[in-house]
Amino acid sequence: DIQMTQSPSSLSASVGDRVTITCRASQSISSYLNWYQQKPGKAPKLLIYAASSLQSGVPSRFSGSGSGTDFTLTISSLQPEDFATYYCQQSYSTPGFTFGPGTKVDIK
Amino acid sequence: EVQLVESGGGLVQPGGSLRLSCAASGFTFSSYSMNWVRQAPGKGLEWVSYISSSSSTIYYADSVKGRFTISRDNAKNSLYLQMNSLRAEDTAVYYCARDRQSRITMIVVEDAFDIWGQGTMVTVSS
Repeated sequence: DIQMTQSPSSLSASVGDRVTITCRASQSISSYLNWYQQKPGKAPKLLIYAASSLQSGVPSRFSGSGSGTDFTLTISSLQPEDFATYYCQQSYSTPGFTFGPGTKVDIK
Repeated sequence: EVQLVESGGGLVQPGGSLRLSCAASGFTFSSYSMNWVRQAPGKGLEWVSYISSSSSTIYYADSVKGRFTISRDNAKNSLYLQMNSLRAEDTAVYYCARDRQSRITMIVVEDAFDIWGQGTMVTVSS
């Protein structure tokens, strides 16, 4: 099974900061990597698919990059509504598209 | 509006059973594979089960294999999860999620969960 790790597990940032979250797969997953945002008490929301494609309706301050085993999610200028937990997910290997453990972004 | 609405959660004793439902609307349900994903209180996301559009392919996480059964009724635009032999560690919010795939010839080039329901809480406790 493919294992996913994320770093950091949490971070504190201010509005306007540039934020980068890293996701690593235990083996190469090409570009089969998705990012989700989840706010407390809400369902996850797809942000980025196929490592770097922006989901429709998602602000352009979100971007994704990487391939193989190492990936990043970048928020270019953090906004108040971006404080949430972010999960990566591999969609390379079935059964089951494994999620990373999550990165919580909160207010400094 | 594209929407998924889960129902059927509740409090059940260990060893008991529960059937979750997920009602789809606003899209052609029969064209999409579907998943169940769960989240234990204060924890991360855990994929639970997958069913293809025609029900021909089904997968389960090892943690629920042999106890949970996924199914769908395309005529009713509905997805189900039959949960038997429930354990305390099955306590979680259960989400249904649409599986959006893009293919070039027969090769899947993109695959992501693009639509999620609001979730239904399952509590296993005596």
